[in-house]
Formats: sequence, C-alpha cells, structure tokens
Amino acid sequence: DGGITQSPKYLFRKEGQNVTLSCEQNLNHDAMYWYRQDPGQGLRLIYYSQIVNDFQKGDIAEGYSVSREKKESFPLTVTSAQKNPTAFYLCASSTTSGVETQYFGPGTRLLVL
Amino acid sequence: EDQVTQSPEALRLQEGESSSLNCSYTVSGLRGLFWYRQDPGKGPEFLFTLYSAGEEKEKERLKATLTKKESFLHITAPKPEDSATYLCAVQIIGNTGKLIFGQGTTLQVKP
Repeated sequence: DGGITQSPKYLFRKEGQNVTLSCEQNLNHDAMYWYRQDPGQGLRLIYYSQIVNDFQKGDIAEGYSVSREKKESFPLTVTSAQKNPTAFYLCASSTTSGVETQYFGPGTRLLVL
Repeated sequence: EDQVTQSPEALRLQEGESSSLNCSYTVSGLRGLFWYRQDPGKGPEFLFTLYSAGEEKEKERLKATLTKKESFLHITAPKPEDSATYLCAVQIIGNTGKLIFGQGTTLQVKP
C-alpha cells in the first residue's frame, strides 16, 4: 500500500529538549511538507522540500529544522527555541508537476511535559 | 494579502438535511482549490481539486463547485458518518507547492 507514515503518534517533550518527528512516504513524490495545526486555526506551513538536499522555510519556520537526505524521508526537529510546541503536526507529499495534490500522513501530536 | 475564509465555523444538521459549506478566497491568481475531510485526531483526507470557474466535481453525497471568488461544498442528504471537519485550501500561480488553508468547517450530522 502506498502512503505516508508518521511516527510517533504521540510525543512528549521536556523543557529544553529537542525532539524529532519522522515522516516517510512511498508514493515516489518529489515534494514533502510539514504543517502545524492548532485548535481553531488553519494548517500553517513550517518547511517544505521539492527535491532531495533542498528545502525552504514556510510561514512559521522559527524553532524548527528539517533535513531531506532521501526522497522518501523528511524528518522535522522541534528545537528548544520553539517556545510553544504543543500542536498536531502533519506531514504531506505531492508530485511537482501537473496536479500537485498534497496527500497527508496521520499526524503526530506533540505535548510538553 | 492572499486569504482563504471558510463559513460557517460549525454546522449542525439532521440526517437527510442538505446544506452547503462556503470557501471564499482572495488570491493573486488561482492555480487550484482543494477540499479535504479531516476526522478528529487524523490527517486530512483528499476529496476534490477544482481548477477553473464553473467546474464541478461529485463524490457520493458531496459536490464541489467553483466560481471566481468562492467554492461551495454541497452535502446532499447527509448521514452521521459525514460528520467531520472540512478544509479548503488554495494554491496560487507561481507559488509552487504551497497551499493556503482556511480554518475549516466542523460538520455534525445527527441521526
């Protein structure tokens, strides 16, 4: 089955700790994205990557970092500089030509201890 | 400023009571408009893509339409399993890959 997987489903962060969220896709998509979802707000773009070894900041990149070493993987690190990390994090992927419909993973909920 | 606004924020319907959700957009140039369904605690599930004014797409009880300023998601004779949050997003010409999302409409269908 082709799709996007995210792990873990729940993640707990302690004060001053960096945590990494995993996102893997087997859809052979070139582009991958990270969004943050807070209650009552639309999805907000954190980072995106349209090709391996290249990525761009989205609207709310401060306090986050990413890497894109493989086409299938796009991990997101929430650093200690992100002061309000509690949210639902969604990873998506798409092609980069023709219809660029984004398909989403199941999400990771990050909570602060 | 590019913007997407969905209304209403919440909608309660009786089973079988048809209605419409609205997505208004103000963008410099529309490349595509997307509708997603999101269940609580899950990732959004793709429903439709619309590209040009006048276009319509249907799937079961859902029908999406597009004008130059807004899109409607019509729900005909809804069932309780249609209860979810419906998200609208737009992609702007020249802004490859980036989507602008509305806040969503939470639909509850009571039996």
